[in-house]
Amino acid sequence: GAVVSQHPSRVICKSGTSVKIECRSLDFQATTMFWYRQFPKQSLMLMATSNEGSKATYEQGVEKDKFLINHASLTLSTLTVTSAHPEDSSFYICSARSLSAGTITDTQYFGPGTRLTVL
Amino acid sequence: DAKTTQPNSMESNEEEPVHLPCNHSTISGTDYIHWYRQLPSQGPEYVIHGLTSNVNNRMASLAIAEDRKSSTLILHRATLRDAAVYYCILRPNTGNQFYFGTGTSLTVIP
Repeated sequence: GAVVSQHPSRVICKSGTSVKIECRSLDFQATTMFWYRQFPKQSLMLMATSNEGSKATYEQGVEKDKFLINHASLTLSTLTVTSAHPEDSSFYICSARSLSAGTITDTQYFGPGTRLTVL
Repeated sequence: DAKTTQPNSMESNEEEPVHLPCNHSTISGTDYIHWYRQLPSQGPEYVIHGLTSNVNNRMASLAIAEDRKSSTLILHRATLRDAAVYYCILRPNTGNQFYFGTGTSLTVIP
């Protein structure tokens, strides 16, 4: 149990276009989801906290108008990178905190990540 | 915001125990200690977590110092599949955000 999926796993886009990444909790409900970014050879950096039905909370230095987050249901959060540029190329990872029985409810379950390359 | 300190890298021989240390001297009374590991190009995988008492699960053991200013993740018998970057993270009781440190890259030698 407690599986998180991301789609797509890999995307290549042209500079100036927008890219949407989906994060789904497959077998549990998550009121809170998190988005991270990871550059090569570096650690994960928390970008934002997403709560179902409310606006996301962004970490300092993360542009909310560039990284649009929507958490419309208890199993789905989306991250849209608007007007992507080469410097946005990174590994984007989501996680979800479970509320469901049979899972560990005070930790985060991570998705497999999405590799974004902006040309 | 990372409040943990870990060695950058460690090596272990296969089938031997591994002790991965983590210092968190500024831990507050309500912070939980979480351990995750990450393989290249994958999301982090939950390993174990605890608050004050030592914890055991099928993957590992977590030994927490009495003053909670440090902890040690113990892999009882390292396998090649345990080669990964191991992150020690403090989770506040409210907010639940994770701020990752640099982690320890574990190499397992056959």
